[in-house]
Amino acid sequence: AQKITQTQPGMFVQEKEAVTLDCTYDTSDPSYGLFWYKQPSSGEMIFLIYQGSYDQQNATEGRYSLNFQKARKSANLVISASQLGDSAMYFCAMRGQFFGQNFVFGPGTRLSVLP
Amino acid sequence: NAGVTQTPKFQVLKTGQSMTLQCAQDMNHNSMYWYRQDPGMGLRLIYYSASEGTTDKGEVPNGYNVSRLNKREFSLRLESAAPSQTSVYFCASSESRQGDRGKQYFGPGTRLTVT
Repeated sequence: AQKITQTQPGMFVQEKEAVTLDCTYDTSDPSYGLFWYKQPSSGEMIFLIYQGSYDQQNATEGRYSLNFQKARKSANLVISASQLGDSAMYFCAMRGQFFGQNFVFGPGTRLSVLP
Repeated sequence: NAGVTQTPKFQVLKTGQSMTLQCAQDMNHNSMYWYRQDPGMGLRLIYYSASEGTTDKGEVPNGYNVSRLNKREFSLRLESAAPSQTSVYFCASSESRQGDRGKQYFGPGTRLTVT
């Protein structure tokens, strides 16, 4: 079975500072993908970043980067230079390539950016 | 490009009533999904359709049925609504179920209350 754990129910960060949101996962699939989504208070789910388990480099998308440590089964999201608009729920998700091809989501972390 | 659209946005049902949630995507995606999101939890998969003509159960299918009407449209039906089905329902689609092309695009959600 696949499982995603996000141990930080809520986080605070000062505007313009960097913040790391934790995500650990468990899977027996030899190949898998990891995804991060943002859900602002308006409710929509917005795709942020993707990391494949065999990708050689950590993924980056603008101010978002993924700190992928395969041996530790962690895929932490790093947001640099936080902005007020980054205040939202953040969900980590994974999908296996062979044994479990459906998304499994973590419970989410609520990030609040302080002015 | 509208992306993924869902109707209705809000719905209130009485216990035992039935209704269908509609979802359509205009990205020519092969795979479509229905999720529910309950407070304090991540998204849980109800049903999915890997490709046109196929549907399969997800994690929480009881009390729901689906129809993949064509490549664009995927509907979710509640035959006899129960208060436990009060939730926010999201439809999503993806190009495929592999790798980066497996990233899912979400609709705006339907907030359903069953009294």
